Amino acid sequence: QKEVEQNSGPLSVPEGAIASLNCTYSDRGSQSFFWYRQYSGKSPELIMFIYSNGDKEDGRFTAQLNKASQYVSLLIRDSQPSDSATYLCAVTHVSNYQLIWGAGTKLIIKP
Amino acid sequence: KAGVTQTPRYLIKTRGQQVTLSCSPISGHRSVSWYQQTPGQGLQFLFEYFSETQRNKGNFPGRFSGRQFSNSRSEMNVSTLELGDSALYLCASSLIGQGENIQYFGAGTRLSVL
Repeated sequence: QKEVEQNSGPLSVPEGAIASLNCTYSDRGSQSFFWYRQYSGKSPELIMFIYSNGDKEDGRFTAQLNKASQYVSLLIRDSQPSDSATYLCAVTHVSNYQLIWGAGTKLIIKP
Repeated sequence: KAGVTQTPRYLIKTRGQQVTLSCSPISGHRSVSWYQQTPGQGLQFLFEYFSETQRNKGNFPGRFSGRQFSNSRSEMNVSTLELGDSALYLCASSLIGQGENIQYFGAGTRLSVL
């Protein structure tokens, strides 16, 4: 069983709409949760991290964490074509703080 | 402040050869992690070094090895290259060796094995 799971997509969203990306994890002791964005042929770049249950907002991005249900999501408001990328979810392993990565969701914003 | 620097950016090798990739972390970062990424695949963890010690290791054969120097710079080596080793190799550094472990990535080294 994969420890961090993401829908591979592609997820297609119209420009200006809200894009919702989801990630589930299996280890209940996971402590830190990260969202990275990776453009084709480029390296991942950090968008947001969240540690506590609830929402965390940064500009057009909102991360939502629900530890009871073991999922973390990323909302992108007012989606732009430049948001088209693969979004990677990562979770810190409780015992050794190693990052466990999901396979990523490919997001396509249609103009 | 300079980011994570990986050299070289591109490499072409033939089967059976060996290769060494280099990674200079962000100044002050002591943890360096290496990943392999093939087309359509997520990040496959190779190993992590912290204060010159390998702290975590992924499920890769012994042909893949690494080390970290006292200035936190890291190298990874792949011996007896196989066609399947063609990939983007990414290095990431983090300030805190444990805890939040926010990783910042270099631009990567794209290795092609012919």
